[in-house]
Amino acid sequence: DTAVSQTPKYLVTQMGNDKSIKCEQNLGHDTMYWYKQDSKKFLKIMFSYNNKELIINETVPNRFSPKSPDKAHLNLHINSLELGDSAVYFCASSPGLAGGDTQYFGPGTRLTVL
Amino acid sequence: AQTVTQSQPEMSVQEAETVTLSCTYDTSESDYYLFWYKQPPSRQMILVIRQEAYKQQNATENRFSVNFQKAAKSFSLKISDSQLGDAAMYFCAFLTFYGGSQGNLIFGKGTKLSVKP
Repeated sequence: DTAVSQTPKYLVTQMGNDKSIKCEQNLGHDTMYWYKQDSKKFLKIMFSYNNKELIINETVPNRFSPKSPDKAHLNLHINSLELGDSAVYFCASSPGLAGGDTQYFGPGTRLTVL
Repeated sequence: AQTVTQSQPEMSVQEAETVTLSCTYDTSESDYYLFWYKQPPSRQMILVIRQEAYKQQNATENRFSVNFQKAAKSFSLKISDSQLGDAAMYFCAFLTFYGGSQGNLIFGKGTKLSVKP
């Protein structure tokens, strides 16, 4: 069974469009994250949620809006897509807020904005 | 601000040999966690090993071990008996605490490891 899943795995779209990436974890974890990996493979945190509440919101344009309908899901909605949004987006989850909890990653979604 | 530096963009090792990947970090905190993640061409991020800063003993996981030097802020990964399946990008990551709760992973820029048959 897949622990952390993301859909879609590939997303190709035009500039200006709005798109969503879905993430689901079946590990029973309380905390979920979104990371962005740029073209140079650099990974950076975007958001984290604990029990559906936002914990971290790094410097991310407000075109990016995470939504957590329940603690097993954390979706990422992106408005008015720009060329610079092209990247691989990873969802991750961890058991909770205890320090040092290992984060488990999904397979990533490669977003290409044309 | 915490930073993680991987000074080797690329490394190469012969199958069955041993290779060490370097990682240094900068922090003023005394309590933190360190990780090595592996990203093969499949793109999946896979946890290789983790180390708690309060533990002096170096973590080991089968063929993977770390050399954690807290005073030097160094956290290198040693892969013994390298296998073709070890070929991947390896990321060193530092886990900080944000507002007293679970924090964000800070990643290095990665080291691409090639394994030659």
